[in-house]
Amino acid sequence: NAGVTQTPKFQVLKTGQSMTLQCAQDMNHNSMYWYRQDPGMGLRLIYYSASEGTTDKGEVPNGYNVSRLNKREFSLRLESAAPSQTSVYFCASSEWGGQNTGELFFGEGSRLTVL
Amino acid sequence: AQKITQTQPGMFVQEKEAVTLDCTYDTSDPSYGLFWYKQPSSGEMIFLIYQGSYDQQNATEGRYSLNFQKARKSANLVISASQLGDSAMYFCAMGDDKIIFGKGTRLHILP
Repeated sequence: NAGVTQTPKFQVLKTGQSMTLQCAQDMNHNSMYWYRQDPGMGLRLIYYSASEGTTDKGEVPNGYNVSRLNKREFSLRLESAAPSQTSVYFCASSEWGGQNTGELFFGEGSRLTVL
Repeated sequence: AQKITQTQPGMFVQEKEAVTLDCTYDTSDPSYGLFWYKQPSSGEMIFLIYQGSYDQQNATEGRYSLNFQKARKSANLVISASQLGDSAMYFCAMGDDKIIFGKGTRLHILP
């Protein structure tokens, strides 16, 4: 039972490099999310996708792009990494309606360092 | 716009005492969910409890209960009979499709 899988777990980048964080869920959830966690700031929403084919900006979208590739996969891309993007990134998924409460299921997190 | 506030950056509580973690929120949506998550030092996010905005009764899950006061827009988490293993960061979250988090409260349980 994999749940939500994020790759890579760790990454070090130089300023200006690009990279993509991958996320996949096997729970057939419609909603997927990307958060970043910084000390003292809690989790801040970068982008979310309420259903396949839709994406919306969250609280801190600048410097990021996302792709909802299909119902299972939601990727986060940094086109030109900056030191301010050093953070732990969490992907999550959820399902609303019926018996579902929208509880977020999280991946293990990806620690990104930008030098 | 949605907003969520946790005003207690840190708390120290004696083992076996009850503890209340504060959470207030603001939203113009008529329908939303309220959530609490625990993050131990290992880093994983653990779901604790959920309250729907239309639920009449406060949610309970074992030692966790959510004190939901809709008119005051507060959703405080109550942990009864605290244990050493409850030491962790606790996050309040709210929303519908868009779910946002507070900054968290670090809870320390003292033996």
